[in-house]
Amino acid sequence: GQQVMQIPQYQHVQEGEDFTTYCNSSTTLSNIQWYKQRPGGHPVFLIQLVKSGEVKKQKRLTFQFGEAKKNSSLHITATQTTDVGTYFCAGRSGNTPLVFGKGTRLSVIA
Amino acid sequence: GAVVSQHPSRVICKSGTSVKIECRSLDFQATTMFWYRQFPKQSLMLMATSNEGSKATYEQGVEKDKFLINHASLTLSTLTVTSAHPEDSSFYICSARGQGDTLGTQYFGPGTRLTVL
Repeated sequence: GQQVMQIPQYQHVQEGEDFTTYCNSSTTLSNIQWYKQRPGGHPVFLIQLVKSGEVKKQKRLTFQFGEAKKNSSLHITATQTTDVGTYFCAGRSGNTPLVFGKGTRLSVIA
Repeated sequence: GAVVSQHPSRVICKSGTSVKIECRSLDFQATTMFWYRQFPKQSLMLMATSNEGSKATYEQGVEKDKFLINHASLTLSTLTVTSAHPEDSSFYICSARGQGDTLGTQYFGPGTRLTVL
């Protein structure tokens, strides 16, 4: 079945440093979504990418969808302590449910 | 818009009892609802997909007799954990997909934390 792999599993950064998490799918995706989950909370939808090569920005966050629609990345510029949490990508092929990556847990040291 | 609620948010029960968790789409009609479970520090694992008015489709390894899912209306799905045991303790999260949503956007509920003693 479809698999979504996400790296790294953990990332510790100093406040102000950049952060990137990468997502790779074993199959071509219809779309990919990114979620953020704070410790003790539930996943919160950040964005959805649909088009090949799409790039979207939300303030300090930049999301990319690969040309082949099999990989994606989330980049945070100048991290802040409020960015702490686990970032999940989730992909979908055709009419299947979302398949989540294992997530990247981000720690930001002030 | 697109709000999904879950009830209860937390539940503690004794081993052997059954627990029902409700998932409601508050401001849209959800033809499809999904149930996930998440163990501490792990990702979300899909348990089952339910379409309104039909039987749920369970993922491999999920016991359908233990995790009963009912999707009786376009705004409500329930998950019943029957004869719960400590290993069923987990965070259960539902999500809902709206009628006519061709992109397949799923809106997540806040989750239910189940602790079985």
